[in-house]
Amino acid sequence: KQEVTQIPAALSVPEGENLVLNCSFTDSAIYNLQWFRQDPGKGLTSLLLIQSSQREQTSGRLNASLDKSSGRSTLYIAASQPGDSATYLCAVRSNDYKLSFGAGTTVTVRA
Amino acid sequence: SAVISQKPSRDICQRGTSLTIQCQVDSQVTMMFWYRQQPGQSLTLIATANQGSEATYESGFVIDKFPISRPNLTFSTLTVSNMSPEDSSIYLCSGQGLRGGYTFGSGTRLTVV
Repeated sequence: KQEVTQIPAALSVPEGENLVLNCSFTDSAIYNLQWFRQDPGKGLTSLLLIQSSQREQTSGRLNASLDKSSGRSTLYIAASQPGDSATYLCAVRSNDYKLSFGAGTTVTVRA
Repeated sequence: SAVISQKPSRDICQRGTSLTIQCQVDSQVTMMFWYRQQPGQSLTLIATANQGSEATYESGFVIDKFPISRPNLTFSTLTVSNMSPEDSSIYLCSGQGLRGGYTFGSGTRLTVV
């Protein structure tokens, strides 16, 4: 069974600082990995999708890397803003269709 | 990527009653899923909604409690039956797109009193 761990569980930074969020998974036989953002009481917004054959994806201030062999992904958010405050979830799709979620990293960006 | 409209966004229900949650996708998705997110926790898969046939439930979830329909490729419903306060959660539907990524609805925040 795929186990997904996210570290740290919570993070508080001043505005402008770069954010580094970590995700690790136990089974390297994955189909893809997806990073989501969740605001309190809301649904999930997809940020980046990395296929198993890719090593990174970028969108604006966001960059995610994938090292499948070591079972790790890192989400970088450059020049953080108060609007980046949310919970960030890492989800791994194994070769079946199911997603395995980490518990999330709750980010607070202080103005 | 697909956009999923989910309703209601929130509801407060009496114990013993049932609530039906709807999800409409604006384009074709290959698969649809229903998740539960209990307070302070991550997402747990309830079931896979299969078009025109019975849903496939995960361990710990049963059809009598969470009946699911998917009459076509872009629409699905989840009913939470005979509710108790333990059913208070956020319920989310999800669709798998053609590139293998997942899109989620905006969630239904259910409180059972």
